[in-house]
Amino acid sequence: GAGVSQSPSNKVTEKGKDVELRCDPISGHTALYWYRQRLGQGLEFLIYFQGNSAPDKSGLPSDRFSAERTGESVSTLTIQRTQQEDSAVYLCASSLAGTARYNEQFFGPGTRLTVL
Amino acid sequence: DQQVKQNSPSLSVQEGRISILNCDYTNSMFDYFLWYKKYPAEGPTFLISISSIKDKNEDGRFTVFLNKSAKHLSLHIVPSQPGDSAVYFCAASSNAGGTSYGKLTFGQGTILTVHP
Repeated sequence: GAGVSQSPSNKVTEKGKDVELRCDPISGHTALYWYRQRLGQGLEFLIYFQGNSAPDKSGLPSDRFSAERTGESVSTLTIQRTQQEDSAVYLCASSLAGTARYNEQFFGPGTRLTVL
Repeated sequence: DQQVKQNSPSLSVQEGRISILNCDYTNSMFDYFLWYKKYPAEGPTFLISISSIKDKNEDGRFTVFLNKSAKHLSLHIVPSQPGDSAVYFCAASSNAGGTSYGKLTFGQGTILTVHP
């Protein structure tokens, strides 16, 4: 079956513009996570969805970042008024259920965002 | 504050030899640890995990060792194969605050190169 997909794969934008990143999780996966990887660093947790609610938004770096999820399906991460420090690879992962910490997270290939 | 650290940015080994990747953590609330492998332009894929109630978990050529007193874990790959060449990430999760979902804290990654 299909894995986690993300679009676009690459996005170059100018400072101050808004961007929207999309994640399509594996069908039936109720838990969805967004992470960010800046150059030379590990993945940073951004936000967790269980269904379409987000019990943990603690990793969102500022109020310029927001995310939504439609049901147990597509999620979008929106960055408003992008800054150069937002340049990173944004990764989405999904797993079968958020109530079990030990369920494997399946990652998408990521969206590479470059803010000029 | 880097709670999970992989102090070796890279490791080079000969095919057939053992690869040992190291990871240190500072948060004593972490009780579940994972290793992920990442190829270029792909998302990380789960490799092996270990719960803090164990000190060793083995899966084929991959073994993870956990030393809780030293807050250290390592991944052993034996024998190493050229196809193992990838970036390896150590990750950890905790049950702090009743966190029942899979929020992961990642290390910076180690680039493993296995030479034929």
